[in-house]
Amino acid sequence: DQQVKQNSPSLSVQEGRISILNCDYTNSMFDYFLWYKKYPAEGPTFLISISSIKDKNEDGRFTVFLNKSAKHLSLHIVPSQPGDSAVYFCAASGNNDMRFGAGTRLTVKP
Amino acid sequence: EAGVAQSPRYKIIEKRQSVAFWCNPISGHATLYWYQQILGQGPKLLIQFQNNGVVDDSQLPKDRFSAERLKGVDSTLKIQPAKLEDSAVYLCASSLDWGGTEYGYTFGSGTRLTVV
Repeated sequence: DQQVKQNSPSLSVQEGRISILNCDYTNSMFDYFLWYKKYPAEGPTFLISISSIKDKNEDGRFTVFLNKSAKHLSLHIVPSQPGDSAVYFCAASGNNDMRFGAGTRLTVKP
Repeated sequence: EAGVAQSPRYKIIEKRQSVAFWCNPISGHATLYWYQQILGQGPKLLIQFQNNGVVDDSQLPKDRFSAERLKGVDSTLKIQPAKLEDSAVYLCASSLDWGGTEYGYTFGSGTRLTVV
């Protein structure tokens, strides 16, 4: 069962522009939504999270937006940098469980 | 602080052979997770430990996979016998808190298993 979906396998943006990564979920019982970043040959690294009672959380260049009615969240990176090139996983946690999406590969071109 | 340590980094075995992976979590992290990540998919939870007790192993193929966490610290995951579809990256993660978390898990670099 795919409770967390990332429908875009890849995204390419120009350096300095905004990157928007999207994620959809099906289970209303999730408490937190998280984004992880993964470089090749490394494990995923926690990036930012948002509680289900909030609609926005910001940390530097990274902002996560949550739309509970649409069961949708997005990660905005502004401005995008070449070092942001990685695979980004969306995850949802709750009830002692964390589910991951399949990931979106972001490429930021200089 | 030291990260989550995993070994080996890579392993190639023939089908029907056995293999074991080792994980040492961050010191003080009570909760330890083993995930399987097949190419092109997100990580899927295999088993979760709270100290040395199993919290959730509902997605662990128990006919061939086993895991233990002796003394509530490091952990081993074993596959016996391996099948071709077990080819994946096996990720170990740990966390301070249990259940839903806003701080995420800390992952190791993983073990890439290839079954031929």
